[in-house]
Amino acid sequence: GENVEQHPSTLSVQEGDSAVIKCTYSDSASNYFPWYKQELGKGPQLIIDIRSNVGEKKDQRIAVTLNKTAKHFSLHITETQPEDSAVYFCAAVSGSARQLTFGSGTQLTVLP
Amino acid sequence: EAGVAQSPRYKIIEKRQSVAFWCNPISGHATLYWYQQILGQGPKLLIQFQNNGVVDDSQLPKDRFSAERLKGVDSTLKIQPAKLEDSAVYLCASSLGGGRHTDTQYFGPGTRLTVL
Repeated sequence: GENVEQHPSTLSVQEGDSAVIKCTYSDSASNYFPWYKQELGKGPQLIIDIRSNVGEKKDQRIAVTLNKTAKHFSLHITETQPEDSAVYFCAAVSGSARQLTFGSGTQLTVLP
Repeated sequence: EAGVAQSPRYKIIEKRQSVAFWCNPISGHATLYWYQQILGQGPKLLIQFQNNGVVDDSQLPKDRFSAERLKGVDSTLKIQPAKLEDSAVYLCASSLGGGRHTDTQYFGPGTRLTVL
């Protein structure tokens, strides 16, 4: 089955700086890669996603890049704000398995 | 639009007791998921329903876990008997359904279970 590895497990940045979270996946058939943000006491919330026919996608301060050859994808947050502090999860979906496999999460802390 | 509702939010039980969780998905969502999220880990799929039929329960420990989705709307997840390692947050999610694996999944707030 699919295996998703996520790094780093914790990340602290100064407000206004950029944050980058990286994930690798094992199943070359995976073709959909969503990113979720989970705040304390809440369920994960989708923030951005990318399909395998696209190399990069941007939504305001958030961008995701995908390298299918290397089987890795990354989340980039620019101009970080304190409200960006949360746990971020990457995930991968294989068209055949049709289920989300999550990474282990990154605790992002934005210091004011 | 109302989100995914779950109850209870917190539950503390002793090992070998039974417990049940309830989920009400977003109106009109055909697909419902139950996930287990152990502290410090990502959610892990336990079972997926399409309407009231099971699509995938390959990771559900069937000797102690059961789930049902009567009438294709609300769902309950039961654990009987509970073990210490069942301590986790149980998340319910729903999506529009229709066979697309790229459908956005909307998560509820979860039920935090502590087994003593």
